[in-house]
Amino acid sequence: DADVTQTPRNRITKTGKRIMLECSQTKGHDRMYWYRQDPGLGLRLIYYSFDVKDINKGEISDGYSVSRQAQAKFSLSLESAIPNQTALYFCATSDYDRNEQFFGPGTRLTVL
Amino acid sequence: GEDVEQSLFLSVREGDSSVINCTYTDSSSTYLYWYKQEPGAGLQLLTYIFSNMDMKQDQRLTVLLNKKDKHLSLRIADTQTGDSAIYFCAESMASSASKIIFGSGTRLSIRP
Repeated sequence: DADVTQTPRNRITKTGKRIMLECSQTKGHDRMYWYRQDPGLGLRLIYYSFDVKDINKGEISDGYSVSRQAQAKFSLSLESAIPNQTALYFCATSDYDRNEQFFGPGTRLTVL
Repeated sequence: GEDVEQSLFLSVREGDSSVINCTYTDSSSTYLYWYKQEPGAGLQLLTYIFSNMDMKQDQRLTVLLNKKDKHLSLRIADTQTGDSAIYFCAESMASSASKIIFGSGTRLSIRP
């Protein structure tokens, strides 16, 4: 079984809709992250969390919110989706030692 | 500011060596990483190097770090078709232990 899972894997939605992307992990890591990937731009950090009570904004948090429901669960919400939020979204966890990131398979989101 | 730069594309003949280059700006980085992304998948850590090392070798992979020039490279010996992927350089920020800055990724294609 995968260590980091994301649901849904693909989603098409319309402008103005609220969308939630979910992430679960069995790594036992405290640190979790949400990134978005756009062609030619690499990965950009949206939000990260060190533990259940700790939430931090990344470089592109506008238009997004997150919830850390448990150590193993970290969800990303788009309150009112817009077309330029069309992207591939990745959840990741990391350890304390090398800060190695363990990625989920990604969610491809299309906003029409 | 914080930045990691890579060229977007590299084409290599099967059996030759591939060299993917990366430059970064934060001289206080603790770890530098190479991640591999295969089509339809998340990123996976390929190798990493601690900032006090100059070189690291792991089977077909050789990582070179030039701290003076803030240059990191990944050499893949005897490149195979299975090496086709996007390769991301990343640095772990000393100023924020949890934060990883990714480059835009280099797409490696293998020609026969």
